[in-house]
Amino acid sequence: DAKTTQPPSMDCAEGRAANLPCNHSTISGNEYVYWYRQIHSQGPQYIIHGLKNNETNEMASLIITEDRKSSTLILPHATLRDTAVYYCIVRPSLYNTDKLIFGTGTRLQVFP
Amino acid sequence: NAGVTQTPKFQVLKTGQSMTLQCAQDMNHEYMSWYRQDPGMGLRLIHYSVGAGITDQGEVPNGYNVSRSTTEDFPLRLLSAAPSQTSVYFCASSYTNPVKSSYEQYFGPGTRLTVT
Repeated sequence: DAKTTQPPSMDCAEGRAANLPCNHSTISGNEYVYWYRQIHSQGPQYIIHGLKNNETNEMASLIITEDRKSSTLILPHATLRDTAVYYCIVRPSLYNTDKLIFGTGTRLQVFP
Repeated sequence: NAGVTQTPKFQVLKTGQSMTLQCAQDMNHEYMSWYRQDPGMGLRLIHYSVGAGITDQGEVPNGYNVSRSTTEDFPLRLLSAAPSQTSVYFCASSYTNPVKSSYEQYFGPGTRLTVT
């Protein structure tokens, strides 16, 4: 079973920030939050991950609540090319086996 | 590096036929895995491998076999194809980066399989 809950779809105007929420209320202390996206049926692409601190890279920012029960992926200036399905995933510590379970994700539509 | 490659890109099978989906990676990753994605759905894990000679089942293993004789290759075999196996199949390879504290996973382009 997927351990995360995401809204099925969201819209965002081009150039605005896209804030994608994820609920992971049963997350364990050793589980990381990962975000992937899948553009038009291509293979998923890694975006960002975090444990408990907020993280930022060239693609996005990840805000994790203090109780770690939810997180938000932020695309600061969405473009049309960011239209994709975004998956929020929790997985055990780094040295576990490869059981990465994807849910149904959030379909983000960026419009002009 | 070619990354993760998959062949074929498209395949049509008749019910009862068998075939092998090929997956190869040139990044020397220990971990490899197979997922299927049905229309409008997320990815579901079929089988995975943590190294040559070691495989294990994922969420939906029935009807599929895998083997891992080398680090580079991880073929997926459909024993007797059924219409329910119509799907897009993704292979992935991954490794743990202790410096970045990250688990880095790379996906292939997918194989689109139709079983009639």
